[in-house]
Amino acid sequence: AQTVTQSQPEMSVQEAETVTLSCTYDTSESDYYLFWYKQPPSRQMILVIRQEAYKQQNATENRFSVNFQKAAKSFSLKISDSQLGDAAMYFCAYDSYQGAQKLVFGQGTRLTINP
Amino acid sequence: GAGVSQTPSNKVTEKGKYVELRCDPISGHTALYWYRQSLGQGPEFLIYFQGTGAADDSGLPNDRFFAVRPEGSVSTLKIQRTERGDSAVYLCASSLGLGAGGYTFGSGTRLTVV
Repeated sequence: AQTVTQSQPEMSVQEAETVTLSCTYDTSESDYYLFWYKQPPSRQMILVIRQEAYKQQNATENRFSVNFQKAAKSFSLKISDSQLGDAAMYFCAYDSYQGAQKLVFGQGTRLTINP
Repeated sequence: GAGVSQTPSNKVTEKGKYVELRCDPISGHTALYWYRQSLGQGPEFLIYFQGTGAADDSGLPNDRFFAVRPEGSVSTLKIQRTERGDSAVYLCASSLGLGAGGYTFGSGTRLTVV
């Protein structure tokens, strides 16, 4: 079974600075998807960024980018120019390329933005 | 609808009671998922529907939990003889066919069993 581990329960960063959230995972599959979700106090999971394992290029979405190291099974999220609205819980998640149809989430990292 | 709607937003019930949690997915989304998120944890998979049938219910913790989706749209998660350990946020998500990142989540139902 796949597992996802986020080793940083809490992180904080100064507004406008850069922060990196860590995620490692374990799988025997070769094709899969990895995600970062943001969960604000409204509880709704919001997709931040998605990476297909077969793509070597790291995904980017505006101020958000990932460092995907397939061999190391590492998938970190970098947030540049942090904004107050980025404060939330962040979850790393894994999805099989086909078949499983269920996300496996990490434990989450609470990100605080200091003004 | 425009998003995934879950009702009620919050539910407090007494231990031993029966509860129903409702999820109204995005119109046209054939796949629907239920997750449970305990305090301070990431969501855990409960069950996945493709159309009207439960394609995977391996995450349901025991036979007190049951979910239906009779017309392939709205789904209801039913919990019998609630226990304090059932207290959690229950999240619903839907997707157009296979998920692969195209999941849209609702805001969840916070269930508190007292």
